[in-house]
This record gives sequence, structure tokens and C-alpha cells, in this order.
Amino acid sequence: AQSVTQLDSQVPVFEEAPVELRCNYSSSVSVYLFWYVQYPNQGLQLLLKYLSGSTLVESINGFEAEFNKSQTSFHLRKPSVHISDTAEYFCAVSAGRTSYDKVIFGPGTSLSVIP
Amino acid sequence: DTEVTQTPKHLVMGMTNKKSLKCEQHMGHRAMYWYKQKAKKPPELMFVYSYEKLSINESVPSRFSPECPNSSLLNLHLHALQPEDSALYLCASSPRRGGNTGELFFGEGSRLTVL
Repeated sequence: AQSVTQLDSQVPVFEEAPVELRCNYSSSVSVYLFWYVQYPNQGLQLLLKYLSGSTLVESINGFEAEFNKSQTSFHLRKPSVHISDTAEYFCAVSAGRTSYDKVIFGPGTSLSVIP
Repeated sequence: DTEVTQTPKHLVMGMTNKKSLKCEQHMGHRAMYWYKQKAKKPPELMFVYSYEKLSINESVPSRFSPECPNSSLLNLHLHALQPEDSALYLCASSPRRGGNTGELFFGEGSRLTVL
């Protein structure tokens, strides 16, 4: 079975400051990793994903995440946040192969960007 | 704009009512999902349909009844709900089972209040 841990439930950060949202996972098989974002009163949107290949993945709005297999981590970073980044961020894992349909979400991290 | 459309956006119902939530996607995806999300919590998987057949039921109470009339539509029929069923109900789709990478496309959700 797979599980996802997000150690920080809330992260306040000043505008234009850097931020890191932490994600760790556990799995006995190889996994695919995702970050989803949920803006207030909306559904979830895929922010970025790691399937294979380069361990550093980037989104179109400046976020990046690095897959670290030895530390079983997939932390999300942004060098300079904007007010519009205020949202709930969910790290997620899918085991692939036999479990494609089942995406396991972490508990979420609420990012609040302070003007 | 999301490509998964959910209606209604808001629904208030009494415990004796019968109502339905609807979800539609035109991306040709062959897997569709219902998730339940409580405030400040991650989405919880309820049902998965793959090629219009129910493939996963996460031990959901029978007062929730899913239906997949065709590959583009997914319904969730509600009957004799309890106040604790009040939540945001999210529909999602993904390209296909057995080849998915766990990437989900979410609608904006239907916010249900049970009085």
C-alpha cells in the first residue's frame, strides 16, 4: 500500500519570498508522483507530475519539484511566490501498473501568501 | 475553464429527499470517478467507473448510488442522506484504466448541504 505525508498543514509566506512544501511518500513499488492545487471554491488542478526520466519537474507558473528516491520525497518549491499562489496544495501518489485508478492524496498544505 | 462539468454547483436537500449530481466530460476519457471532500481535507475516493463499468466502490453507504449511462456521463444519486454527508463532491476523469498514470482531471465540484 502507498501513503503520503505532508508535514506542514499550513505555510504562511510573504509575497516574493521563496517557499518549499514538503511531501514524503511510502510505497513498496515504483510510483508516479503529483502535486495538485486547489484554489478557493474550486476543484483540484494538476500542478506538475513525475512519471519517469528527469527527477526535476517544472510547472508553467514557476513551481518545481524534485523526485528523490532515496529519501522518498517530492518537495515542491517556488523561488518567489505571488498572492495568487494562495491555495491548498495536495501531494499525491499513484502506484501505476495495477493501481492506476487509485490516486492516494496527502492531507494537504495550506499556502497563505501575505502581502 | 475545466473540461469536466458538474451540475448543480450547490445543492441543499433534506434527509428524505432524492436528488442527483451530474458530471460530464468530452475528452474521450474512459475512467470516471466520484470523490468526496470535507473542508480542509483531501479528496476521498468513492467510486471508479472504467469503460462504463463500476470497478471500485470504496465501501460507500448505499444511500449513494452511482450510475454511468455512457462514456461521457456520470451521475451520483442521493437518497436518505445524513447531515454528515454534507461535503464537496468532486467528479474526475482520466484517459483509461490499465494505462493511466494517475493523472486526474477534476470538475469544480457540487457543494452539498444536507439539512
